[in-house]
Formats: sequence, structure tokens, C-alpha cells
Amino acid sequence: SQKIEQNSEALNIQEGKTATLTCNYTNYSPAYLQWYRQDPGRGPVFLLLIRENEKEKRKERLKVTFDTTLKQSLFHITASQPADSATYLCALTRAQTGANNLFFGTGTRLTVIP
Amino acid sequence: EPEVTQTPSHQVTQMGQEVILRCVPISNHLYFYWYRQILGQKVEFLVSFYNNEISEKSEIFDDQFSVERPDGSNFTLKIRSTKLEDSAMYFCASSDLRNQPQHFGDGTRLSIL
Repeated sequence: SQKIEQNSEALNIQEGKTATLTCNYTNYSPAYLQWYRQDPGRGPVFLLLIRENEKEKRKERLKVTFDTTLKQSLFHITASQPADSATYLCALTRAQTGANNLFFGTGTRLTVIP
Repeated sequence: EPEVTQTPSHQVTQMGQEVILRCVPISNHLYFYWYRQILGQKVEFLVSFYNNEISEKSEIFDDQFSVERPDGSNFTLKIRSTKLEDSAMYFCASSDLRNQPQHFGDGTRLSIL
């Protein structure tokens, strides 16, 4: 069966450190992998998108890598701040269909401790 | 910045009743989606809609569900006869092109009694 797993349900990190979140998938051939942020009671907010032929993408303090051989994406937040505390979701778009509906992982709840 | 708006924010309905959840996607977007999130679980795809028709739907989206874009701005999800297990947060999303980031609303919390 198809699975998208995020490394842990919860991750606590000290302010100023780099947070690294992992997304592993099986039985998918994703065309795109995206990372979203979700705050309690709110909808997901898009952060970064990386295509299957890209290795790395950056945006300000955020960096995402995509390894289609390992079937894994890493999401990094450098110089983390308490305001970065949220649940982070990875989501895949399959390559073989014409639609672009997202398949989400279960999320990692990040807490940045001041 | 334009945003996706959903109404109502919370809907309480008796089991067996029909419910309509409403969404106003971003105005120049062409692709529309509904997702749901049961409390404590992952966000799950329900249906995608493009060019006035369903382009893909999941196993969850059975005959009890329907979607409509009745005019140029609204996108609705109807559940004909609600069940207890339909209780969840329902998110609407839209995107301007295929395989582009999706913009989500803040959801409607549906509670079935």
C-alpha cells in the first residue's frame, strides 16, 4: 500500500538551532513534493515545492531536499524561532495521473523552545 | 493577498440530514479541491474539480457526496445524508495551474450528532 511517513509526531528544539524534519514515502512515483505548515484550527499554508528532477530548494530560512532514490525529503528550518512552532506536513503529487491532488503525511508537530 | 474563504466555520447537524459547505476560491484559480481532516488524523483528499467537472475523486467521495460550482465564484460540497463518521474539518483549496501550490481555506468544522 502507499504510505507517506513523517519521522516523528513531535519534535522539540531550542531557539536558534536548525530543525530537520523527514518525509519518507513508499509505492509512490511523485512528480512533486510540497511542504505545508498547519497551525491549530487553521488550513495548511504552502511553504515550498520541489520537483522530482530537483535536488534542493531554498526560501529564506527554509530548505528542502528531495532524494527519489531514497524516497525521502528533508525539510530544514535554520535559526529556528518560537513563531516556527506548528505542524509541518509533507504532501506528494503522483506523476502518473493528470490530476494534482495532494497526498499528505501525518505531520510533525514542531515546538521551538525559547 | 487573496485567500480562500469557507463558510460556515462550524456546522452542527443531525445524523441523516443534508449539509452544504461553501467555499469561495481565489478568483483567477482554475483548479478546486476538497479535503477533510478527522481530528488527530492526516489531511485526506476527497475530490478535485476543473473545467466544471470532477477530475479525480477518492474512495471516501461516495454517492453521498457531490460538488458544484453554481456560479463564477462559489464552490460547494454537499453531503446528502450525513453519518457520524462524517464529523471532521473540511478544507477547500484552489490552485491556478496544475501541479502548483494549493491555497487552503481555514476549513469548516462539521459535527454530526
